[in-house]
Amino acid sequence: GNSVTQMEGPVTLSEEAFLTINCTYTATGYPSLFWYVQYPGEGLQLLLKATKADDKGSNKGFEATYRKETTSFHLEKGSVQVSDSAVYFCALSDKGGSYIPTFGRGTSLIVHP
Amino acid sequence: GAVVSQHPSRVICKSGTSVKIECRSLDFQATTMFWYRQFPKKSLMLMATSNEGSKATYEQGVEKDKFLINHASLTLSTLTVTSAHPEDSSFYICSVTYAGTSGSNEQFFGPGTRLTVL
Repeated sequence: GNSVTQMEGPVTLSEEAFLTINCTYTATGYPSLFWYVQYPGEGLQLLLKATKADDKGSNKGFEATYRKETTSFHLEKGSVQVSDSAVYFCALSDKGGSYIPTFGRGTSLIVHP
Repeated sequence: GAVVSQHPSRVICKSGTSVKIECRSLDFQATTMFWYRQFPKKSLMLMATSNEGSKATYEQGVEKDKFLINHASLTLSTLTVTSAHPEDSSFYICSVTYAGTSGSNEQFFGPGTRLTVL
């Protein structure tokens, strides 16, 4: 079955530091890949997505590239801000799973001023 | 994309009472909605798939008599936590799948409902 593995958190950074949150996946087909962000006390919001190999999703300075050869979709940002503090979820969905997303466990990001 | 709302945003109830949580798809008709439960510092656990006009499909380990789901219209699904106990306290989130123009079938989530059972 499908699965998503994310790096353990929390990730603690100073403002303007470079961010990488690793995500690898296992899927039988050709999934779409997503990063969702959850701010404290809120639901999930789609941050970015990629639907096929070598696609790069980007939004709000975050980006991730769909790497089929390494089955990875690592999230990066060049300069984080305090307002980026949140929990980030990597997810995949495919037709075989009826497009119901499979989520990683989430990685908490804490950015200090 | 799709806009999903939930009501209430937070509820506190006494042990033994029942609580109803509503999930609405505001701008498109959703034949299928999903209910998740999120424990503190944990990922989302899919509880059930809510199907308009038919019975919900529950994930393994989820008590269907405890968590009643009704999807009476294309824009509304309700989750009722019956005879709630403190261990039912959690953050409940609903979502819909929306294909949109990209065809990537992305999920749109409601803002969540914080349930606290005293």
